[in-house]
Amino acid sequence: GQNIDQPTEMTATEGAIVQINCTYQTSGFNGLFWYQQHAGEAPTFLSYNVLDGLEEKGRFSSFLSRSKGYSYLLLKELQMKDSASYLCAVRGGDYKLSFGAGTTVTVRA
Amino acid sequence: IAGITQAPTSQILAAGRRMTLRCTQDMRHNAMYWYRQDLGLGLRLIHYSNTAGTTGKGEVPDGYSVSRANTDDFPLTLASAVPSQTSVYFCASSPSSEGHGELFFGEGSRLTVL
Repeated sequence: GQNIDQPTEMTATEGAIVQINCTYQTSGFNGLFWYQQHAGEAPTFLSYNVLDGLEEKGRFSSFLSRSKGYSYLLLKELQMKDSASYLCAVRGGDYKLSFGAGTTVTVRA
Repeated sequence: IAGITQAPTSQILAAGRRMTLRCTQDMRHNAMYWYRQDLGLGLRLIHYSNTAGTTGKGEVPDGYSVSRANTDDFPLTLASAVPSQTSVYFCASSPSSEGHGELFFGEGSRLTVL
């Protein structure tokens, strides 16, 4: 089975940077995903890491360390529209995607 | 618009009733999934299908069944609904069950069992 941990909530100010950490313990590893989910909506894909290192995509970056079972999602230049839940998900050895409970980020003006 | 369509969007159901949640995708993806999302627990996999004609059990399959008669459709059936099945159900698909393929999600079906 998979064990995926991420903080429940985070609050930050508009224009600031927030880092959402995710630790995992899995049976096998075939990639780590980050999804964004606004309240009442479907999750949407943000990033994918399968090798160690940083992947940058505009204001969002995602980092992976497979040896430490650790990832983070970095949100820069926060905007009000970034208020959402951010889901860390791991594809295990069976290629199934398992999700953490999500981190609710609130951006304040 | 290409994507995944779920129906119904919302439903209130009496305990003991049978219910089928419909899911259709037009992206010709091989793999399809059903997740339920509950507060504090995140998305949990109920059933999956790697390709038409095959299905498998996920993390929480009890009380649910699925079928995959063709590529596009993947209905989820609750044979006899119970209040613990009150949840938001998301159908998802990906091009392949392996590799990089990200999951694309439908808009969700909110089910309340009384």
